[in-house]
Amino acid sequence: DAKTTQPPSMDCAEGRAANLPCNHSTISGNEYVYWYRQIHSQGPQYIIHGLKNNETNEMASLIITEDRKSSTLILPHATLRDTAVYYCIVGSGSARQLTFGSGTQLTVLP
Amino acid sequence: DTGVSQDPRHKITKRGQNVTFRCDPISEHNRLYWYRQTLGQGPEFLTYFQNEAQLEKSRLLSDRFSAERPKGSFSTLEIQRTEQGDSAMYLCASSLVSRGPNEKLFFGSGTQLSVL
Repeated sequence: DAKTTQPPSMDCAEGRAANLPCNHSTISGNEYVYWYRQIHSQGPQYIIHGLKNNETNEMASLIITEDRKSSTLILPHATLRDTAVYYCIVGSGSARQLTFGSGTQLTVLP
Repeated sequence: DTGVSQDPRHKITKRGQNVTFRCDPISEHNRLYWYRQTLGQGPEFLTYFQNEAQLEKSRLLSDRFSAERPKGSFSTLEIQRTEQGDSAMYLCASSLVSRGPNEKLFFGSGTQLSVL
């Protein structure tokens, strides 16, 4: 499976957009990009996934570069409740293949 | 959808004791996963079930660990002769695998194990 690289931590002001980058330069053609997040003392929560097109849902937007070597998760209006560790993972569809790295600790500041 | 529930939320035990955790998945979900998570790290895969069949076990799952999912519903994870290195958060997740290529995991809040 392709590996991902994420910054260990980021800060964002409340109400502003949070843009979380992820590099996955060895991603294969059939591998998706998944994002999960983990709020303190809870289990991870699915956010969004995509293959090559940009995706948007009620939680976030996912922008994948044309060469698919990197992506950005966008939380359009971050709130304090968005403070969490965000995991970027690549895999071919089966959850068994998802390998969680250390993620990015996003802290939303008041 | 009542979510994935895990019991207990916290467990403190002495080294050498046996412990058992329970996971109740979302009712219609056919897959169930167990993960272990230590401080500052992401969850690590331990094992998973498709209905009642245990399809894979990680090499992290030593012979002191055993998991069951009788009748394809709830699952238990037992650790025998606990060691201090077993201290971690044990997470359960479930999913519904159908025809689509993408499987979304729904996690419980985990059981925090402390081995003294």
